[in-house]
Amino acid sequence: DIQMTQSPSSLSASVGDRVTITCRASQSISRYLNWYQQKPGKAPKLLIYAASSLQSGVPSRFSGSESGTDFILTISSLQPEDFATFYCQQSHSMPYTFGQGTKVEIK
Amino acid sequence: QVQLVESGGGVVQPGRSLRLSCAASGFTFSDYAMHWVRQAPGKGLEWVAVITYDGSNEYYADSVKGRFTISRDNSKNTLYLQMNSLTAEVTAVYYCVRQTTQWLVDWGQGTLVTVSS
Repeated sequence: DIQMTQSPSSLSASVGDRVTITCRASQSISRYLNWYQQKPGKAPKLLIYAASSLQSGVPSRFSGSESGTDFILTISSLQPEDFATFYCQQSHSMPYTFGQGTKVEIK
Repeated sequence: QVQLVESGGGVVQPGRSLRLSCAASGFTFSDYAMHWVRQAPGKGLEWVAVITYDGSNEYYADSVKGRFTISRDNSKNTLYLQMNSLTAEVTAVYYCVRQTTQWLVDWGQGTLVTVSS
């Protein structure tokens, strides 16, 4: 199975900060990497698919990039509504696997 | 708009069985692969199972293989998850999820399964 490792597991940031979250795959997954945002008590929401494509309706401050087996989610200017937990997920091969999550908290 | 409504969760004793359902609307159900993803209390997301659009293929996480069965009834626009020989480790919120292309685009609100004596 492909293992997905996210870092950091949590971070504290202020409104307006630039935030980056990294996800590393244990083997090549091409661009089959997706990012989800989950707020407490809610279902996850797709943010980025295929490593860098922005899901419809998602603000442009969210972006995704890749470098080999490393994938990065960037929030260019953190907004109050962005405080949540973010997960990466590979869809290259079964079983689909998620990273362990990164909780973004208010500093 | 797409709606996925899970049901069937609740409190169940260890060793018993439970069947979850997911009623789909707002899209052509028979065109899409469907997944179950779960989240134990205070934990991260865990992919559970997927079934192809026509029900011809299924895949399972190792943690549930042999105990869970995913199925669908395209005439009823409904996805199912049969869960047998339940243990405390399966306590979680179970989400029904629609796949488009290679990503999980639409999620239900989830149904909580609690295994406890």
